[in-house]
Amino acid sequence: AQSVTQLDSQVPVFEEAPVELRCNYSSSVSVYLFWYVQYPNQGLQLLLKYLSGSTLVKGINGFEAEFNKSQTSFHLRKPSVHISDTAEYFCAQTSGSRLTFGEGTQLTVNP
Amino acid sequence: GAGVSQSPRYKVAKRGQDVALRCDPISGHVSLFWYQQALGQGPEFLTYFQNEAQLDKSGLPSDRFFAERPEGSVSTLKIQRTQQEDSAVYLCASSLDLGGGGYTFGSGTRLTVV
Repeated sequence: AQSVTQLDSQVPVFEEAPVELRCNYSSSVSVYLFWYVQYPNQGLQLLLKYLSGSTLVKGINGFEAEFNKSQTSFHLRKPSVHISDTAEYFCAQTSGSRLTFGEGTQLTVNP
Repeated sequence: GAGVSQSPRYKVAKRGQDVALRCDPISGHVSLFWYQQALGQGPEFLTYFQNEAQLDKSGLPSDRFFAERPEGSVSTLKIQRTQQEDSAVYLCASSLDLGGGGYTFGSGTRLTVV
């Protein structure tokens, strides 16, 4: 079965600092990978996705992620975070007709 | 509509009560998914429809859970004889097709069983 591992359950950072949220996925013949953000009491919003092609994927709100096949990783990065980036972030992988999610990483940006 | 609409936003049910959760997907979206998100966890797959056909219900935790999409648009997730462990946020997502993971999620229904 597919599994997605988010290596950090909580990541506190200061405003304007860089951040990396780590994600490892299950190796598969074809891999589609995603990062979603969830603000309190809201649904999931797609940040970015990797389907094929360039291993560096740029998303919304200044986030980017790098697909690394040899390390089966898909880490999310932002060079300078804002208070408004405080939210839960989920890494996900397609598995047939479904998305398999990681447990989530709570990013807290402090002033 | 512009997005995926779920109702109610919040539901409190007494243990043993039946509940029905509604999902109104984006117009024209073929695929519809239900996920269950327990507190502090990632969403877990429940079931998937392509138009009116339920193609995968392997994630439904018990036979108390039932989902339908009779006309290939609005879907209802029904939980019979609710139990405390059913307390969670139930998320609905729709997609134009299966490829590329272009899912749009609704805001969810928070179910609390007391």
